[in-house]
Amino acid sequence: EVQLLESGGDLVRPGGSLRLSCAGSGFTFSNFAMGWVRQAPGKGLEWVSGLNGNGAFTFYIPSVRGRFTIFRDNPKNTVYLQMNSLRVDDTAVYFCVKYTETSSLGDRWGQGTLVTVSS
Amino acid sequence: QSVLTQPPSVSGTPGQRVIISCSGSSSNIGQKPVNWFQQVPGTAPKLLAYKDHQRPSGVPDRFSGSKAGTSASLAISGLQSEDEADYYCASWDVNLNAWVFGGGTKVTVL
Repeated sequence: EVQLLESGGDLVRPGGSLRLSCAGSGFTFSNFAMGWVRQAPGKGLEWVSGLNGNGAFTFYIPSVRGRFTIFRDNPKNTVYLQMNSLRVDDTAVYFCVKYTETSSLGDRWGQGTLVTVSS
Repeated sequence: QSVLTQPPSVSGTPGQRVIISCSGSSSNIGQKPVNWFQQVPGTAPKLLAYKDHQRPSGVPDRFSGSKAGTSASLAISGLQSEDEADYYCASWDVNLNAWVFGGGTKVTVL
């Protein structure tokens, strides 16, 4: 069974840093693109970042480019989101998502981890 | 303001057929496939359809996706109380180099 387990969400001050982790199991991790989607309280879904199977290609939304870094450790079956210079509007539940065999978004989602940026 | 436009809400009675629309542009839906997700509040989203109309295993055939030009739609036939949820469309945008979502549509079963 495919499973994604996120961790790392926390309360952090504006300007602070946080690293989210997502451990995958039940599939050949290195064969699949992975990504992160967030949902601010009471709001809709927003794709944040993604990367291909070997991590060579990464993509970001403009509002996080230069502040967030996505990377993966395939031997550990884990994808990360390093978040620096956090802002209040980064507050959200962050979901780890697995892409399909043809790199279509979201055939599996983690349960989400809450990031709260507040002073 | 979402790149893809969905109606905020849709409602129907049990057994009815409802349709959720998703409007985009030539830089996303017009040239890239559309995915649809269902989210029951408080839980993670679930993939309902990908590549416009493909259903993952386990998704009932009551859910069907389609696309024409720069718009897509998700039809739910034989509406059931368990279908009450938020529904989102998504597509890759070639100008933004990013996946973009619709604002979401809340389906209510009357």
